Amino acid sequence: GAGVSQSPRYKVTKRGQDVALRCDPISGHVSLYWYRQALGQGPEFLTYFNYEAQQDKSGLPNDRFSAERPEGSISTLTIQRTEQRDSAMYRCASSSASGGDGYTFGSGTRLTVV
Amino acid sequence: SQQGEEDPQALSIQEGENATMNCSYKTSINNLQWYRQNSGRGLVHLILIRSNEREKHSGRLRVTLDTSKKSSSLLITASRAADTASYFCATDLAKGGKLIFGQGTELSVKP
Repeated sequence: GAGVSQSPRYKVTKRGQDVALRCDPISGHVSLYWYRQALGQGPEFLTYFNYEAQQDKSGLPNDRFSAERPEGSISTLTIQRTEQRDSAMYRCASSSASGGDGYTFGSGTRLTVV
Repeated sequence: SQQGEEDPQALSIQEGENATMNCSYKTSINNLQWYRQNSGRGLVHLILIRSNEREKHSGRLRVTLDTSKKSSSLLITASRAADTASYFCATDLAKGGKLIFGQGTELSVKP
């Protein structure tokens, strides 16, 4: 697509439920990144992929968080047994192999856990 | 953990003035990037400077990099009200690797 698309834009879920956030990167972009951003803060790195391979998941807060990119395109970030502290804006970005043009970010998914 | 720290945290200027934001980082980098974010919306890539470059220009933007001091600055000349946004520096430690963002500078340009 023309840009990075994230869905849903907003998600309200009850504590304890699982949620899946979707990211559709720019066509042909090799790398895909997940970030979390709290209000008034910079984006916090979660994990990233080159093609379908997860290169670094050191930013995932705990084992309730997981991500996949099975065919090297669309990615899903899954949060199991959500907690109120998981409420945040989750942002996805993609970049070309060289990374020379920086990242292109999606509009994000606002997750609220009640 | 955050790698970059922006200074100042907030900056308020009049339209037409220049705005300078600084970023310091801790470890060696491959490149440093600046991003803009309007009112909590998506981040937009502004400019990338590589570790072997000292200065780069793009329109009204000028970025400098001093690897010996582990610092960078972003200068916006002849600011406009539309430049009002948060500005983040981000460091790339390894080519194609993850970016680590700072906490940002909130710029307000008053007409």
